[in-house]
Amino acid sequence: QKEVEQNSGPLSVPEGAIASLNCTYSDRVSQSFFWYRQYSGKSPELIMSIYSNGDKEDGRFTAQLNKASQYVSLLIRDSQPSDSATYLCAVNKGRVQTDSWGKLQFGAGTQVVVTP
Amino acid sequence: DADVTQTPRNRITKTGKRIMLECSQTKGHDRMYWYRQDPGLGLRLIYYSFDVKDINKGEISDGYSVSRQAQAKFSLSLESAIPNQTALYFCATSDPLNRAGANVLTFGAGSRLTVL
Repeated sequence: QKEVEQNSGPLSVPEGAIASLNCTYSDRVSQSFFWYRQYSGKSPELIMSIYSNGDKEDGRFTAQLNKASQYVSLLIRDSQPSDSATYLCAVNKGRVQTDSWGKLQFGAGTQVVVTP
Repeated sequence: DADVTQTPRNRITKTGKRIMLECSQTKGHDRMYWYRQDPGLGLRLIYYSFDVKDINKGEISDGYSVSRQAQAKFSLSLESAIPNQTALYFCATSDPLNRAGANVLTFGAGSRLTVL
């Protein structure tokens, strides 16, 4: 079992619709969670971080965290063609000031294709 | 200029050759990382350094070595390159002074390495 799992996609989404991306993780002590966007041939860029259970909204993006279910998701509202990219879920495994703190475990990414 | 600069951006080499990938940053961050990215496998941590005197192996360090020459410079070496080291390599930094953002990674543009 991979430590961070995502559906590889591609996830095809009509322009203007909501894209829903899911991520599950295996280590219950994980403390912080991130979504990175990566355009083809480019480096990942952070779009959302979430540390507490519940929802966090930033513009068209909403991250949802459920630590009991070990599940984090990303919603993209009003999807645009410029949202077409691979979305990487990343999890920090360790507790603060342990050896694992500061190292991220990445999922393989979900490719999103927004069609006009 | 980019905050995190990687050189070379592209390199083709032959099996058995020694290769060095260099990374420099102007963000003033103490923490630096080397990741490799392969299709379907996501980003995997090779080595990381929390300060100049602190270097640690990641999950896939075999066949690689690193040098932290200064706070701003972190180099990755392949002593004897092999074809399965063909990948996209990313350097990243993070700032431990901001607890909430301690794991927020800033990536370089990537170095694409092909080993024939």
